Amino acid sequence: EDQVTQSPEALRLQEGESSSLNCSYTVSGLRGLFWYRQDPGKGPEFLFTLYSAGEEKEKERLKATLTKKESFLHITAPKPEDSATYLCAVLSGGYQKVTFGTGTKLQVIP
Amino acid sequence: DAGITQSPRYKITETGRQVTLMCHQTWSHSYMFWYRQDLGHGLRLIYYSAAADITDKGEVPDGYVVSRSKTENFPLTLESATRSQTSVYFCASSETVKGYNEQFFGPGTRLTVL
Repeated sequence: EDQVTQSPEALRLQEGESSSLNCSYTVSGLRGLFWYRQDPGKGPEFLFTLYSAGEEKEKERLKATLTKKESFLHITAPKPEDSATYLCAVLSGGYQKVTFGTGTKLQVIP
Repeated sequence: DAGITQSPRYKITETGRQVTLMCHQTWSHSYMFWYRQDLGHGLRLIYYSAAADITDKGEVPDGYVVSRSKTENFPLTLESATRSQTSVYFCASSETVKGYNEQFFGPGTRLTVL
């Protein structure tokens, strides 16, 4: 059974204080790893897809990296508008069935 | 407007009643999904559909029924609602690109079963 564990559960940062969120996974044949952002009362919003170990993707202050066992979402000089819950998910096996982690709730304080 | 919509956004019902949550997407995506999101569990897949008239169970299908007669619609029915089905329900859609693709989520339906 695929498992996805995200840490920490919650993270509080000062504006400008860089940090990383972790997503560790156990799957039988990774086909893709996703990062989503979810704001309160809204559906998840897609951020990145990573396909293989060593791959990196960037978007504004966010950078996602992937190894064979985990993925990191690095947040550089965060702003209050980066406050949200960040979800990690993995796709393995057939079709489009993904397994989600429980998320990291990020709060950036001005 | 183009996108994926869910209705109702909020619903309160009683134990034993039948409830149908609606999902509509305008992209003509092949795949559609229903998830529930609960504290401590994250998003869990209830059912998914690869195309019209093709559906399959996800991780937590018991107590739910789906249908997909048209590509753009994917309703989820709780045949006899229970308190444990109190949750936030998200519909999502995706299209296959190179055998895999990201999912686009609707705004969610918050369901309370009394």
